[in-house]
Amino acid sequence: GNSVTQMEGPVTLSEEAFLTINCTYTATGYPSLFWYVQYPGEGLQLLLKATKADDKGSNKGFEATYRKETTSFHLEKGSVQVSDSAVYFCALTGGFKTIFGAGTRLFVKA
Amino acid sequence: KAGVTQTPRYLIKTRGQQVTLSCSPISGHRSVSWYQQTPGQGLQFLFEYFSETQRNKGNFPGRFSGRQFSNSRSEMNVSTLELGDSALYLCASSSTAGAAEKQFFGPGTRLTVL
Repeated sequence: GNSVTQMEGPVTLSEEAFLTINCTYTATGYPSLFWYVQYPGEGLQLLLKATKADDKGSNKGFEATYRKETTSFHLEKGSVQVSDSAVYFCALTGGFKTIFGAGTRLFVKA
Repeated sequence: KAGVTQTPRYLIKTRGQQVTLSCSPISGHRSVSWYQQTPGQGLQFLFEYFSETQRNKGNFPGRFSGRQFSNSRSEMNVSTLELGDSALYLCASSSTAGAAEKQFFGPGTRLTVL
């Protein structure tokens, strides 16, 4: 079946550091890929998405590229801020179901 | 436009009891999905309802059930609660069934089973 694996956290960075959160997937067919963010005490919000191979999703300085050859969708940001502290979930949709990764908690120190 | 609302926000129950959680989707949305979020397992799909019909179901025991009303509001019920059911339960609404990119999440109900 479909699955999503993302790097375990927590990830702790200093402000303005470069962020990478790894995500790989297993799926049949051509799923759509997503990154969601969950701020403390809130529900999930869609951060970015990519619907086909080589698509790059971007939002709020975050970006991720749909790599079919490596079945990956790594999240990157060039310079993180304290306000980026949250839990990040990689997800895919296939067959009308959304499968989420376990989530990666990010702490950004001032 | 009001967002997705979930009630109650916090709940404490004891083992063996049952619980009902409620989700009101965004006005006009006909799809409601439920997820269980735990530190160890992450976010796991429970089920999705669209126009009062269950469209998809995750791999949870029969103690977990749900329903959707004609106004699209949805309830989730867990019977014979176990300690492992302690989790944050999230619901998400969308205008189209199975459309993850169009899902809007509620803040969740935090269930603690003692």
